[in-house]
Amino acid sequence: QVQLVQSGAEVKKPGASVKVSCKASGYTFTSFDINWVRQATGQGLEWMGWMNPNSGNTGYAQKFQGRVTITRNTSISTAYMELSSLRSEDTAVYYCARTVENWGQGTLVTVSS
Amino acid sequence: QSVLTQPPSASGTPGQRVTISCSGSSSNIGTNYVYWYQQLPGTAPKLLIYRNNQRPSGVPDRFSGSKSGTSASLAISGLRSEDEADYYCAAWDDSLSGYVFGTGTEVTVL
Repeated sequence: QVQLVQSGAEVKKPGASVKVSCKASGYTFTSFDINWVRQATGQGLEWMGWMNPNSGNTGYAQKFQGRVTITRNTSISTAYMELSSLRSEDTAVYYCARTVENWGQGTLVTVSS
Repeated sequence: QSVLTQPPSASGTPGQRVTISCSGSSSNIGTNYVYWYQQLPGTAPKLLIYRNNQRPSGVPDRFSGSKSGTSASLAISGLRSEDEADYYCAAWDDSLSGYVFGTGTEVTVL
């Protein structure tokens, strides 16, 4: 079955960067887009960007342009989302999703001094 | 920010039918598929409906989706206590070149 397993929780200081991984299994990794979505505590879902794992092409929400980078390693069926210049408002659970149908378990990123 | 508008809350008694609306525009719902998710506290969103009205295997047929013009709806029939959750709609937006999500609806079973 399709599974997306994300890396563990992170605590970062303001100004730092965080890189979250998303390991896919149960399907051909390069055949489906990967999307990244975040959710602050008590808030709604916010789309951050997507990647075509086959070509490596990406697209980002304007809000995150210049701060987010989505990459992949096809040899290990893993996608990555790196967010830089972190601020307290970036404290949230970050999800990867195959297209927008199958979701990872989420990774809590806490930004605190 | 959310581009799709949902009512903040909905409620019903066990066995009743509850409908949640999702209002968008011609650049998202009007031209692209709508997805619906159920999110229980502390868990990842779970896909309930894809491509406007299709149910993934394992999702009860009590859940149904529809779309008309620039709006979509999720109906829950035979409401059960375990349906208490937050529900979100989503669609690709051609103008933004990205997915947009609804504001979310909290369903309460009275």
